[in-house]
Amino acid sequence: DIQMTQSPSTLSASVGDRVTITCRASQSINNWLAWYQQKPGKAPNLLIYKASSLESGVPSRFSGSGSGTEFTLTISSLQPDDFATYYCHQYNTNTFGQGTKLEIK
Amino acid sequence: EVQLLESGGGLVQPGGSLRLSCAASGFPLRSYAMGWVRQAPGQGLEWVSGISGSGANTYYAESVKGRFTISRDISKSTLYLQMNSLRAEDTAVYYCAKSLSSYGYFDYWGQGTLVTVSS
Repeated sequence: DIQMTQSPSTLSASVGDRVTITCRASQSINNWLAWYQQKPGKAPNLLIYKASSLESGVPSRFSGSGSGTEFTLTISSLQPDDFATYYCHQYNTNTFGQGTKLEIK
Repeated sequence: EVQLLESGGGLVQPGGSLRLSCAASGFPLRSYAMGWVRQAPGQGLEWVSGISGSGANTYYAESVKGRFTISRDISKSTLYLQMNSLRAEDTAVYYCAKSLSSYGYFDYWGQGTLVTVSS
């Protein structure tokens, strides 16, 4: 099985900060990686697919990069609505990272 | 507008069965792969099962293989998850989700239905 290691598990930041979340795969997944945002009590929402493609309707402050085994999600300037939990998802064989909770500092 | 609406969750005893439904609208179910993803209380996301767009192929996580069965009824535009031999560790919110391919990202999700396995 392909394991996904996401870091950090918790991230404290302020409005306007630039933040980066990392996901590492235990073996190469090419660029078959997606990122989702989830708010409490709600379903996940797709942000990024194919490692770096921005889903329609998602603000451009979100970006993804990487290929092979190392991937990042970057939020260029945090907005109040961005405080949530973020998950990476390798869809080569379907495994999610354990999540990163983005908290207000 | 794509909409996915799950139902069928509830409280069930260990060893019992439950069938979840996911009513799909706004897109042709026959043309897209679908999946079930669950989330135990306070935990992360876990892929459970998937079905190809043709319906010919089904896929399962090792943790549910042999106990859960995914299926769909095109005429009713509904996806199902039959869950048998339920265990306490199956307790979770179950989401159905739409995908472009059998092993693909999920672009639309339902609101989820809670399954609680407890005596």
